[in-house]
Order: sequence, then C-alpha cells, then structure tokens
Amino acid sequence: QKEVEQNSGPLSVPEGAIASLNCTYSDRGSQSFFWYRQYSGKSPELIMFIYSNGDKEDGRFTAQLNKASQYVSLLIRDSQPSDSATYLCAPGPRPGRRALTFGSGTRLQVQP
Amino acid sequence: GAVVSQHPSWVICKSGTSVKIECRSLDFQATTMFWYRQFPKQSLMLMATSNEGSKATYEQGVEKDKFLINHASLTLSTLTVTSAHPEDSSFYICSPILPSYEQYFGPGTRLTVT
Repeated sequence: QKEVEQNSGPLSVPEGAIASLNCTYSDRGSQSFFWYRQYSGKSPELIMFIYSNGDKEDGRFTAQLNKASQYVSLLIRDSQPSDSATYLCAPGPRPGRRALTFGSGTRLQVQP
Repeated sequence: GAVVSQHPSWVICKSGTSVKIECRSLDFQATTMFWYRQFPKQSLMLMATSNEGSKATYEQGVEKDKFLINHASLTLSTLTVTSAHPEDSSFYICSPILPSYEQYFGPGTRLTVT
C-alpha cells in the first residue's frame, strides 16, 4: 500500500466553481499534512499546512483533515484558470524522518 | 518562505560527462538539505539527505558513487551527476530543513542528457 494516494486526474472544473482534491494516507501516525501546488516545469510551492482535525482556511483554499478516516482534502473556491496545476499532498515530517513523501499528485484544469 | 536558489536552472550535457548542480540558501543557514528528483509525469522522490560537514545518506536504489553530494558550508550544497546517461535526465530539486515546520523547495534544475 502506498503511503499517500491521490487521484491523478485530470480534474476539470469550470472557472468560478469549487475544486475538491483528495488524498488518503496509510500511516495512522501522521499528524500533519502539506499541500503543494506545482505548475508544469516548476518546483512545488507550499500552499497549505494542516495539523489538526477539521478545517483550515486560507483565502480561497480550505484544507480538511480527518485523522480517523486517514483522509485529507483541499478545496479551492472560486477556481481560476491560474489554479490549473498539479496538487501534491504529503504527510508532514515525523521523528527520524524530516523528508517528505509525496502522493503522485492530482492535475487540476480550470476551464475559462 | 525561505529563499533557495539553484544553478543552473537547466543544463544539457552529453552522455558520459558530469554535471554539477548548486543549491544555495540565501537567507538562512541550512545544516541539512534534501535532494529530490522528479521524472516526467511522476512525483518527487527523495534521493539523498545532505548534512553539512558529513557524508550524505542516500535512499535505497540511489547510487552514491554516481550522485556525489557535497555540503561544505551552511549555505551551499552541491549535487554532481557523474558519467551522466539519458536515464538520468530529470528535474532535480533541493529542499533545506528549516527551524520551522514548513519545507520549501529550490526552483529546480532540469537536466537533459543526450
């Protein structure tokens, strides 16, 4: 079983809609999660970090973490064409392992 | 976020030659640097962990004699791909460990071996 699983997509949404990106993980010990956005040909950029169950909002982005279900999601409200990218989730660092293990990423396409 | 630079941003080299990639932390001191690579349409995979003043540790399946890592100072880590082959063509990205919890990435170096 992979440590982190994401649907590769592409997920296509119209401009202005809510995009919902999902990630499941296998390690029950994971306490926190990062969401990164990666544009084609660029390195990942950090957009959200969540460590508590529930929701965390930052602008148009909301991360949701459900540790019991081992599930983390990212909602993007009012999607814009500029949000078109691949979104990667990764469990946060833990004792003895500071490096990140990424899911395969979900490609999001926002249609104008 | 942390300011990390990589040089070069892209490089094309001939098979059998060596290429050095530099990663600099511009506004902080990085005692540890991660090196990742990303093949087309795949996710980032950790290659090695570089520690200032000591030997790097490599992930399983990564040849330490082929991917030489030097972390001689707190602001510079280098990755040298020796005797490069076309299968080494990839996107190489460094990421420093920061005192804070977040992890940021350098802009990456795209290597193409012909």
